[in-house]
Amino acid sequence: DAKTTQPPSMDCAEGRAANLPCNHSTISGNEYVYWYRQIHSQGPQYIIHGLKNNETNEMASLIITEDRKSSTLILPHATLRDTAVYYCIVRPYSGGYQKVTFGIGTKLQVIP
Amino acid sequence: DVKVTQSSRYLVKRTGEKVFLECVQDMDHENMFWYRQDPGLGLRLIYFSYDVKMKEKGDIPEGYSVSREKKERFSLILESASTNQTSMYLCASSLTGGEQPQHFGDGTRLSIL
Repeated sequence: DAKTTQPPSMDCAEGRAANLPCNHSTISGNEYVYWYRQIHSQGPQYIIHGLKNNETNEMASLIITEDRKSSTLILPHATLRDTAVYYCIVRPYSGGYQKVTFGIGTKLQVIP
Repeated sequence: DVKVTQSSRYLVKRTGEKVFLECVQDMDHENMFWYRQDPGLGLRLIYFSYDVKMKEKGDIPEGYSVSREKKERFSLILESASTNQTSMYLCASSLTGGEQPQHFGDGTRLSIL
């Protein structure tokens, strides 16, 4: 699987958009970008995933660059409950069996 | 919404005990997974199952077994608990097919004394 690089920590003011970057310069053609988050002492929560087009759901938007070497997760109006560690991972199209492996992630602190 | 429910949030057991961790999902997912998560070691796959009564070893199956008698339920068994199995245990499930994401439960924090 392609390796991902994320900043270790970020701050965001409550109510503002949080933009979390992820670099995956070695991504291959059949690999998807996934985002999860983990709030302290809870299980990881799936947020969104995409291949090459931008994606949006009720939680967030995912912007993938045209060359697919990086992506940005956008939380449009951050709240205190969005304080968590955010993980960007890449996984191949694999029939769902592929294990999930997290890196260090980005610790997002939403500030009142 | 996908719901993956783990039977206990916190559990304390003694060395040598047989420990059962239960996981139930309500979305008719074919695949189910057991992971453990430890500081500095990240997420490690113990076992997974792609169908009822089917199981496959993950990266660290030693000391564990699993059971999947019904599609919605996947159990992790610690045959004889040891202190090095103190950890956060996470269950996940997913549909079969391509890029389907895994959905996780809230975890069981297990302490072996």
